[in-house]
Amino acid sequence: EVQLVESGGGLVQPGGSLKLSCVASGFTFRDYWMNWVRQAPGKTMEWIGDIKPDGSNTNYAPSVKNRFTISRDNAKSILYLQMSNMRSDYTATYYCVRGTIAAGKPSFDYWGQGVMVTVSS
Amino acid sequence: DIQMTQSPSVLSASVGDRVTLNCKASQNINKYLNWYQQKLGEAPKLLIYNTNNLQTGIPSRFSGSGSGTDYTLTISSLQPEDVATYFCFQHNSWPTFGAGTKLELK
Repeated sequence: EVQLVESGGGLVQPGGSLKLSCVASGFTFRDYWMNWVRQAPGKTMEWIGDIKPDGSNTNYAPSVKNRFTISRDNAKSILYLQMSNMRSDYTATYYCVRGTIAAGKPSFDYWGQGVMVTVSS
Repeated sequence: DIQMTQSPSVLSASVGDRVTLNCKASQNINKYLNWYQQKLGEAPKLLIYNTNNLQTGIPSRFSGSGSGTDYTLTISSLQPEDVATYFCFQHNSWPTFGAGTKLELK
């Protein structure tokens, strides 16, 4: 059974940093693109970035580029999201999502249950 | 970015009802449309991918259809365990999501 379990959320001050983790199990982690998606309170889900299976390439949404860094440890099957210089509008539930290919285009299949991050003084 | 508009935002229905949820894209998304179910406190679950393909393990009462800009998720006979929020997602281009339809029991 595919499982994705996020951790590391909590309260952080504006301008601060936080690192989220996502432990994957039930599949060969090193074979898959992985993504982070967030949902701010009352807002639609927003894709924020992904990372290639071998970790050699990452992509980011403009809203988080240069503030967020996605990385992975394939030996431990863990995905990371390093967030820095955080703003109040980064308050959201952050989801770890497995990438897949559907009819030739990247898609998402399995999700974690999410971890809450609150940016506030 | 492609905007995804779901309707209705809230739907109340009775057990056994046929239920239809809608998702409209701001431009043609070539059937690259997924539907997810999210129950309170749980991870979103993929139900339908590429408009009409049932994900493994999902009950056959769920089905999807559509083309171009207009897509539909149908539950043929609503069950109590179907109470959840359903959201659509397009992956034809930069990935974007709908705001969701909250499905309640009447």
